[in-house]
Amino acid sequence: QSVLTQPPSASGTPGQRVTISCSGSSSNIGSNTVNWYQQLPGTAPKLLIYSNNQRPSGVPDRFSGSKSGTSASLAISGLQSEDEADYYCAAWDDSLNGLYVFGTGTKVTVL
Amino acid sequence: QVQLVQSGAEVKKPGASVKVSCKASGYTFTSYDINWVRQATGQGLEWMGWMNPNSGNTGYAQKFQGRVTMTRNTSISTAYMELSSLRSEDTAVYYCARRIFDAFDIWGQGTMVTVSS
Repeated sequence: QSVLTQPPSASGTPGQRVTISCSGSSSNIGSNTVNWYQQLPGTAPKLLIYSNNQRPSGVPDRFSGSKSGTSASLAISGLQSEDEADYYCAAWDDSLNGLYVFGTGTKVTVL
Repeated sequence: QVQLVQSGAEVKKPGASVKVSCKASGYTFTSYDINWVRQATGQGLEWMGWMNPNSGNTGYAQKFQGRVTMTRNTSISTAYMELSSLRSEDTAVYYCARRIFDAFDIWGQGTMVTVSS
């Protein structure tokens, strides 16, 4: 069961900026770094952002992450059709012997 | 290139066990933890546990304690996840993923496990 809460959906037209929120608690986001994963239909998740705001090599700088207290957010600027996917936030949780928790997921639709 | 390649789809009867493999290549297998994540159709991601390929140490999500076993064979750079006492709710795609820092940077392609009588 997901411990991190995300909005189920978000949408925008090409070129717009879309923001996805991720709400947690003191034992997960409040104590550890946040990662974001992108999952295109029918494929494995892909690491998009790690350590709150770092992009792995090859991830466009249109994607950015931030964290404040027990919440985090992912922003997609200059939205493109290929950004249509599911997005998950995630973090380690200190309350249950090192459990890794995922967000509920957000479906981004490009209108 | 760095990759994780998983075994093929499985169909199992309720009560049976399944063992999924995850073969690493392109990096030193024993240098990074392997984690397992599953996803039921149309649902979100669910973390199952981790294994340190060097020591063999493991950590499992409480939900799977007693039913899951994660092992490895370092001679062939392969990690395994075995889930026992299968029930219909275990029908899902199972992924292995490499941990770097606090994130999972490389994922296997996924293995579909179907539990059906």
